[in-house]
Amino acid sequence: GQNIDQPTEMTATEGAIVQINCTYQTSGFNGLFWYQQHAGEAPTFLSYNVLDGLEEKGRFSSFLSRSKGYSYLLLKELQMKDSASYLCAVRDGVGTDKLIFGTGTRLQVFP
Amino acid sequence: EAGVVQSPRYKIIEKKQPVAFWCNPISGHNTLYWYRQNLGQGPELLIRYENEEAVDDSQLPKDRFSAERLKGVDSTLKIQPAELGDSAVYLCASSSSDWGHGYTFGSGTRLTVV
Repeated sequence: GQNIDQPTEMTATEGAIVQINCTYQTSGFNGLFWYQQHAGEAPTFLSYNVLDGLEEKGRFSSFLSRSKGYSYLLLKELQMKDSASYLCAVRDGVGTDKLIFGTGTRLQVFP
Repeated sequence: EAGVVQSPRYKIIEKKQPVAFWCNPISGHNTLYWYRQNLGQGPELLIRYENEEAVDDSQLPKDRFSAERLKGVDSTLKIQPAELGDSAVYLCASSSSDWGHGYTFGSGTRLTVV
């Protein structure tokens, strides 16, 4: 079956660092994506990992371990505008090659 | 470059009425997706097009939902008749053959069925 797990909610303080974890079990794997979604808006692309290791992009980094079925999104120097939902999505790469999304982690950043 | 354009932005209809959503993908993106997102959930795929061909519609409730992508560009998603449980945000997305940037989503249509 297809299963993507991530925490429902997280809170953090402005200026801090937060790590959002994602574990997955899918029939195929051809890459993992992180999207940011502000309330009432469309998801926007943050990162893409297809090989094991850390991808860094400014204040955001994403890590992947394919053998463990595990990824995390690391947000540094948190800002109020980072309050949003963060969606983990796996490209299943099998059959119709679509993205399968987790339920999202709602992050609230407090001053 | 214009992004993925969807309309309408919001729609409120009574149950049993028909409704249609329209999507214009990014120019040159051959793959188009319709996703449905319920409140507090991640998006779920309804249908995927490669050019004008629907290559995955396994999760589209075909008794009431239909979609088309004429000429492999714009797409419409229709619900007839709508049910209360269809209230959700309907997202259109497109992608090129370069997966490094994932999908680009439109702003979505928020449907409320009363």
